[in-house]
Amino acid sequence: AQKVTQAQTEISVVEKEDVTLDCVYETRDTTYYLFWYKQPPSGELVFLIRRNSFDEQNEISGRYSWNFQKSTSSFNFTITASQVVDSAVYFCALRGNGANNLFFGTGTRLTVIP
Amino acid sequence: NAGVTQTPKFRILKIGQSMTLQCAQDMNHNYMYWYRQDPGMGLKLIYYSVGAGITDKGEVPNGYNVSRSTTEDFPLRLELAAPSQTSVYFCASKLGGLGTDTQYFGPGTRLTVL
Repeated sequence: AQKVTQAQTEISVVEKEDVTLDCVYETRDTTYYLFWYKQPPSGELVFLIRRNSFDEQNEISGRYSWNFQKSTSSFNFTITASQVVDSAVYFCALRGNGANNLFFGTGTRLTVIP
Repeated sequence: NAGVTQTPKFRILKIGQSMTLQCAQDMNHNYMYWYRQDPGMGLKLIYYSVGAGITDKGEVPNGYNVSRSTTEDFPLRLELAAPSQTSVYFCASKLGGLGTDTQYFGPGTRLTVL
């Protein structure tokens, strides 16, 4: 069974603060794939990152960074120096090996206050 | 670059009516998906297709039907609409195959059943 838990329902930060969004997953597969998507107020889903289970190297892309730790089954997302445009709902998702679909968490709504 | 397109953007149905949500992609992707997003929740898979002529059920298929006669199009049919089908519907596609795992989403269709 695949499951993704995003325990933080809503987070508010003041602009320029750093913020970390938590994602904990469950899977029995040894090979799996993790994703983060952003859903801005306009409603579309924007792909941010894909990570394979056999690659635990952390990734940085501009102000965004991801910390993947298999030991704790977590794939956390950090935004550095947050901006108002970062306000959105962020979803973590999991695809098991051989599966065709993504299992989504319930999302974390981030509000960045100017 | 159209990507994944969905029509209509909004629709209000009366209980018992039927309708078809349209989805098209111009990226020559093999895999296509229909998800629904209920308020405050993550996305749940309704149906998916791995290629023209091939469809399969996801987590929540009841009350829906799909067809995939072409690579480009993947319409979702609602028969006998019910209030429980009030949701935002997202279509997604991916190329498929090793290293092409990322799903790209359409802008969504907001459906209200009254």
